[in-house]
Amino acid sequence: DAKTTQPTSMDCAEGRAANLPCNHSTISGNEYVYWYRQIHSQGPQYIIHGLKNNETNEMASLIITEDRKSSTLILPHATLRDTAVYYCICGLGYSTLTFGKGTMLLVSP
Amino acid sequence: NAGVMQNPRHLVRRRGQEARLRCSPMKGHSHVYWYRQLPEEGLKFMVYLQKENIIDESGMPKERFSAEFPKEGPSILRIQQVVRGDSAAYFCASSPPGDRVYEQYFGPGTRLTVT
Repeated sequence: DAKTTQPTSMDCAEGRAANLPCNHSTISGNEYVYWYRQIHSQGPQYIIHGLKNNETNEMASLIITEDRKSSTLILPHATLRDTAVYYCICGLGYSTLTFGKGTMLLVSP
Repeated sequence: NAGVMQNPRHLVRRRGQEARLRCSPMKGHSHVYWYRQLPEEGLKFMVYLQKENIIDESGMPKERFSAEFPKEGPSILRIQQVVRGDSAAYFCASSPPGDRVYEQYFGPGTRLTVT
């Protein structure tokens, strides 16, 4: 699985868009990019995934660069409940997910 | 549609006892995964199962740990002769078949404390 690099922490004001970057320069052609988040002490929550095209669902948008070496998760209107650790993971098929340290997003009033 | 269910939520065992952790996947999900999260660390994959089959157990410790997902009933993660280092949160996840197999839905976890 490709290694991913994320900032350790980020801050965002409530109501603003949160843009979380992820570098995955060694991603292979058939690896997906997955995003999960973990709110303190809870089980991780699936957010979104993509291969090449940008994706959007009710939770977030995923922007993948054309060379696929990086991506950005966008939470369009962050709320206090979005405070969590966000994980960017690259993997294949059924994918035994490999969680790194992620980005701690703190949403403030 | 109920989410992934795990029980018990908290389990205390003395060293040397056995721990049994149960996971009921979401309705319609045929893939089950177990992960372990040690204190202040990230989640680590342990095992991936489908009904009556272990697909990938590359993350399972070689001794004392076993997992099953029988034809009927929940998936079970079994830890024999527990030691203090087994104290952790154990999360189960399930995913649907077909195109959405990449989406893993996690349960609330079982927090195991070994005294």
